[in-house]
Amino acid sequence: EDKVVQSPLSLVVHEGDTVTLNCSYEVTNFRSLLWYKQEKKAPTFLFMLTSSGIEKKSGRLSSILDKKELFSILNITATQTGDSAVYLCAVTSGATNKLIFGTGTLLAVQP
Amino acid sequence: EAQVTQNPRYLITVTGKKLTVTCSQNMNHEYMSWYRQDPGLGLRQIYYSMNVEVTDKGDVPEGYKVSRKEKRNFPLILESPSPNQTSLYFCASSLSPYRVGMNTEAFFGQGTRLTVV
Repeated sequence: EDKVVQSPLSLVVHEGDTVTLNCSYEVTNFRSLLWYKQEKKAPTFLFMLTSSGIEKKSGRLSSILDKKELFSILNITATQTGDSAVYLCAVTSGATNKLIFGTGTLLAVQP
Repeated sequence: EAQVTQNPRYLITVTGKKLTVTCSQNMNHEYMSWYRQDPGLGLRQIYYSMNVEVTDKGDVPEGYKVSRKEKRNFPLILESPSPNQTSLYFCASSLSPYRVGMNTEAFFGQGTRLTVV
C-alpha cells in the first residue's frame, strides 16, 4: 500500500532556529515528491522533487530527495514566526496517478 | 489570475439532503481531484480525473460522486450526506502527471468547510 510518513508530527522552535522536517515514502512507480505549506487555508506549493541529490532552494527553505532511501527533507533556516504552519509532503504514484499526502508536520515558531 | 475556485466556502446541512460543491479552474489543467482533510488523517483523496469524462476513485470515495463534463469544472456531489462526511474539502488541479519534466504541482482551491448535522 502506498504511504507517506512525516516526522515529527509537531515541533516548537524559537525564531532564528534551523529546523529539518522529514518525509519518507513507499509508493508504486514513484514519479515526484512535493512539499506544501498550509496555514489557515489552502496548501501552497513549495517544491517539487524528481531527482535524487539535487537540492531545491527558495530563500531560507531548501529540500532534497533521496530516491534510494525513499525520503526527503525540508530545511528552514533562520526561522521566523511567519513560518508557523503545517508542512505537507506528497508523492505522486505513476501506477495509480494518485497524489498521496502525509499527515503533515505542525511547526510553531515562537518569538 | 490563475486559480481554483470552490463554492461554497462554508456549508451546514442536514443528513440526507443532497448537495454539490463546485470546483472550477482557469489553467487548462487536465488533472483535477478532490480531497478531504480531517485532524490526524491529513489530506485524503476522494476522486480524481485525468481528463474530460475520465474519473477514478481515490482512497475514500464512499458516499461521493463526481463528474467531469468540461475540462474546467469538477463538481463533488454528496447524494445523501451523513455526519461522518463533516470535513474540510479541497479541490485541486494540475497538469497531467504524465507531462515529464514539467512542473505538475497541484493548485488548491480555498476549501469548503462542510458540517452535516
